[in-house]
Amino acid sequence: GEDVEQSLFLSVREGDSSVINCTYTDSSSTYLYWYKQEPGAGLQLLTYIFSNMDMKQDQRLTVLLNKKDKHLSLRIADTQTGDSAIYFCAEIGSQGNLIFGKGTKLSVKP
Amino acid sequence: EAQVTQNPRYLITVTGKKLTVTCSQNMNHEYMSWYRQDPGLGLRQIYYSMNVEVTDKGDVPEGYKVSRKEKRNFPLILESPSPNQTSLYFCASRLGNIQYFGAGTRLSVL
Repeated sequence: GEDVEQSLFLSVREGDSSVINCTYTDSSSTYLYWYKQEPGAGLQLLTYIFSNMDMKQDQRLTVLLNKKDKHLSLRIADTQTGDSAIYFCAEIGSQGNLIFGKGTKLSVKP
Repeated sequence: EAQVTQNPRYLITVTGKKLTVTCSQNMNHEYMSWYRQDPGLGLRQIYYSMNVEVTDKGDVPEGYKVSRKEKRNFPLILESPSPNQTSLYFCASRLGNIQYFGAGTRLSVL
């Protein structure tokens, strides 16, 4: 079935790069997404990548897609304390719904 | 401003007392859906609606009802809430491959 897996926790120091990894199962997914959830807040769409792309860069964010391995990653350069949040990887399911991973909690230490 | 609005943001109720969480979007989107978020489980889809008067079950529909009488509104109804429905609920609407989420409703059922 459709499934998205990601590690639950990541801790980095301020100024370092963060890399959050995700694997998915549905090879027919046309879009893959990264959402950010700050404490007590809703879901914010950070970025997304179309399946025919390998990489997408948007300021401090870089998304890498390896379709062969069904692996998606989000790199945050120069991580700041304001980047502390839960990051969700998601793919589109067969019903047009979003299939979410369980979320990676990013902690940024000063 | 384009947005998805949920009400209430916070709700504490007792087992068996019917409640409705409202959701409204001002973007004229046809597709709307409800998710619940639980620790360690990520977000799971409850119900979705492809258009007015068309609704379908998601992954975890038990104990919930929805209606879609008009395009902008998609209320979530709990006829007889139980403690296992204590959760954080998100409404979303979609245009193309981008889903827009409301700010969330935190529900506690005692």
